[in-house]
Amino acid sequence: AQTVTQSQPEMSVQEAETVTLSCTYDTSENNYYLFWYKQPPSRQMILVIRQEAYKQQNATENRFSVNFQKAAKSFSLKISDSQLGDTAMYFCAFMNLANSGYALNFGKGTSLLVTP
Amino acid sequence: NAGVTQTPKFQVLKTGQSMTLQCAQDMNHEYMSWYRQDPGMGLRLIHYSVGAGITDQGEVPNGYNVSRSTTEDFPLRLLSAAPSQTSVYFCASSEVASGLYSSYNSPLHFGNGTRLTVT
Repeated sequence: AQTVTQSQPEMSVQEAETVTLSCTYDTSENNYYLFWYKQPPSRQMILVIRQEAYKQQNATENRFSVNFQKAAKSFSLKISDSQLGDTAMYFCAFMNLANSGYALNFGKGTSLLVTP
Repeated sequence: NAGVTQTPKFQVLKTGQSMTLQCAQDMNHEYMSWYRQDPGMGLRLIHYSVGAGITDQGEVPNGYNVSRSTTEDFPLRLLSAAPSQTSVYFCASSEVASGLYSSYNSPLHFGNGTRLTVT
């Protein structure tokens, strides 16, 4: 079974600064997908960024980027120029189509607070 | 385009009562699933379906039933509610990739959740 670990239960960053959220995972598979989801106080689950394991290039989406280290099984999320609206829970998630279909295996989340 | 719609948004039940959480999607997605979210636990998969007439269990299926009679709807039934089922429930849907990886471009689309309290 795959496990996803987010070792930072809570983090805080000042507006306009950069913050990195950590995620590690454990799998014996070679091909899989990794995701970061954002959950603001509204409770909505919003996809922030995704990474295919067979792609070496790190994914980026505007102010959000990842550092994907496949050998180390690490998938961190960097948020640049943090904004107050980035305050939310952030979940790292793993998907292996071959073994578990479209099921997402989530970490326990990191609560991010952006302060003025 | 409504996406994934869950009803109700909030529900309070007494122990032993039954109820159905509704989930509907209008994106013609073949894959649908239910997750529960508990504090400090992330989201855990309850049941899922890869098409009408096909359902299967996820990580935490006990106490829940599902059926998939249409592509659009995937209701979750609690037959006899227990306090341990107090949680936030999310429905999610996705396209099904024609190949294992190269054509999978549709991540899970989530509904807005149902907060269920069982007293």
